[in-house]
Amino acid sequence: DAGITQSPRHKVTETGTPVTLRCHQTENHRYMYWYRQDPGHGLRLIHYSYGVKDTDKGEVSDGYSVSRSKTEDFLLTLESATSSQTSVYFCAISETERGAGTGELFFGEGSRLTVL
Amino acid sequence: AQSVSQHNHHVILSEAASLELGCNYSYGGTVNLFWYVQYPGQHLQLLLKYFSGDPLVKGIKGFEAEFIKSKFSFNLRKPSVQWSDTAEYFCAVKGLAGNNRKLIWGLGTSLAVNP
Repeated sequence: DAGITQSPRHKVTETGTPVTLRCHQTENHRYMYWYRQDPGHGLRLIHYSYGVKDTDKGEVSDGYSVSRSKTEDFLLTLESATSSQTSVYFCAISETERGAGTGELFFGEGSRLTVL
Repeated sequence: AQSVSQHNHHVILSEAASLELGCNYSYGGTVNLFWYVQYPGQHLQLLLKYFSGDPLVKGIKGFEAEFIKSKFSFNLRKPSVQWSDTAEYFCAVKGLAGNNRKLIWGLGTSLAVNP
């Protein structure tokens, strides 16, 4: 158990509303990630963080923002949700080796978001 | 650009059949290699990994994978599958050299094992 908690686990919202997903870890890992998973697209990286207030964009960052004010929390915000953002969102943390992510990830349980 | 290709998108097997899922990648330098498994309705979890050393890697639940550097491949195998192996399997590759150190994912292979 990597001590990763995502909330909410399920959310239904309407187009145009803001949504924030929270990822909380208890292991003090430096690297944290937000992915979305969609049929036919596999896993796609939205944003990642390599430390408090240090974040960077992934391959599908448009329409999403993130914040990391504490080591343990990584928030993903959809400022104005659209139907194309209906997805399952996974938070992950990474083991590190010599200060860099190894690629070995531990995933949270996922947050299923439906935008109507 | 780096890429990971999983050749089989959907595989259907009967219990006790042997399994081999292909994974090829394009990256010129040193890599870390992974297979992750996602059981129905669950999150991804690590099945096995290769960082260095013996290219034949053994993971959980009887799975193994072989890194063949000359073929840029990291195929997943299991000699005898069980119904409980029904899941989606993802290959992932992380480059370790230069500016390209991203973790690149394959699109996944859906495995259904019939009892």
